[in-house]
Amino acid sequence: SQTIHQWPATLVQPVGSPLSLECTVEGTSNPNLYWYRQAAGRGLQLLFYSVGIGQISSEVPQNLSASRPQDRQFILSSKKLLLSDSGFYLCAWSVPGRGGTEAFFGQGTRLTVV
Amino acid sequence: SQELEQSPQSLIVQEGKNLTINCTSSKTLYGLYWYKQKYGEGLIFLMMLQKGGEEKSHEKITAKLDEKKQQSSLHITASQPSHAGIYLCGPRGGKLIFGQGTELSVKP
Repeated sequence: SQTIHQWPATLVQPVGSPLSLECTVEGTSNPNLYWYRQAAGRGLQLLFYSVGIGQISSEVPQNLSASRPQDRQFILSSKKLLLSDSGFYLCAWSVPGRGGTEAFFGQGTRLTVV
Repeated sequence: SQELEQSPQSLIVQEGKNLTINCTSSKTLYGLYWYKQKYGEGLIFLMMLQKGGEEKSHEKITAKLDEKKQQSSLHITASQPSHAGIYLCGPRGGKLIFGQGTELSVKP
């Protein structure tokens, strides 16, 4: 069966420090991958999505970047964190094509920038 | 770009009461997903509606899609504390985006 792993679960980082959040998917090939940020427990803001290795689409200009070095690995990074980067980050995957299918989400990373 | 608006933004109901959450799209809907999120956790898929007029049920949760009105409604019958959480809708096809969510609290 397919599973998605996201880590760490919580993270406290000082302003100006780098960030690396990792997400890996098991049990499927060539998934669509997504990074979201959720502020104040509300709607999800799509940050990045990827349809293949090295193919990243950025939805919102910001202090973050994403990379997909392997088929089932999606990394969210920042060179220098800002206070405004605090939030709940979620990774998700879906099966490409077929007119859209349900997505499967990781358990999220709570990032606090201090 | 397509946007989804959910109403109400938050809802507090007494256990046992019925409730409805609405999701309206700024563009034509070619299907819609409903997800539920417990605070601080990932999203759980509830159901997908694929065509206008379609209605699906999962336990005490029923969702319906009205393509002409570009909206969907999610109805919970006899709410329970286990129904509490954030409900999000998202359009089927294209990028995986969501409405701003409806936060539901159920008072025992």
